[in-house]
Amino acid sequence: DTGVSQDPRHKITKRGQNVTFRCDPISEHNRLYWYRQTLGQGPEFLTYFQNEAQLEKSRLLSDRFSAERPKGSFSTLEIQRTEQGDSAMYLCASSLGTQNTGELFFGEGSRLTVL
Amino acid sequence: DAKTTQPTSMDCAEGRAANLPCNHSTISGNEYVYWYRQIHSQGPQYIIHGLKNNETNEMASLIITEDRKSSTLILPHATLRDTAVYYCIVKSSGGSNYKLTFGKGTLLTVNP
Repeated sequence: DTGVSQDPRHKITKRGQNVTFRCDPISEHNRLYWYRQTLGQGPEFLTYFQNEAQLEKSRLLSDRFSAERPKGSFSTLEIQRTEQGDSAMYLCASSLGTQNTGELFFGEGSRLTVL
Repeated sequence: DAKTTQPTSMDCAEGRAANLPCNHSTISGNEYVYWYRQIHSQGPQYIIHGLKNNETNEMASLIITEDRKSSTLILPHATLRDTAVYYCIVKSSGGSNYKLTFGKGTLLTVNP
């Protein structure tokens, strides 16, 4: 399967710990997105990369959050000093630059539980 | 991007057509209508999109009213695997607008 893959699928951590999620997009896709989804809500946009450049960040992405895409391929999303409010599903998506910008391919997500 | 309104939930019998409505009365001329769905514990899946003409693909049909203020996603022969939350999203295409703004969507339950 050559879809978007995310790792880990589930993470349980204690408040105050740091966590990192990894996303491997579809290989030829130059655009990569991170979304967050809490229970009962639709996904919320966090940030967007075109190749290695981070072009947009949501105000939801506090200083404790950092995302990178160092070589324009995989991406990481790190959350420092986790809080219980960070508990959510973190979704990664990718798309091809020549496609319509609304057609995204999502991964299965990484579910974070902060105790 | 224009706001959308969808019913919270709908039921459909297996094998029947599922018609999911969406209102987007403030849609602009350059905004597309997108539909995604999210099966429980999975990431959202793109279904279809359109500007003003009706569209059909292997998954569904999209009917957009002439004034573009509402649309209907049609799953012609719903199966149990179509049980999911369906999101209607309005978004301009291209340019620097890369965000999809998801609402709460419609939970479609397909019953045997």
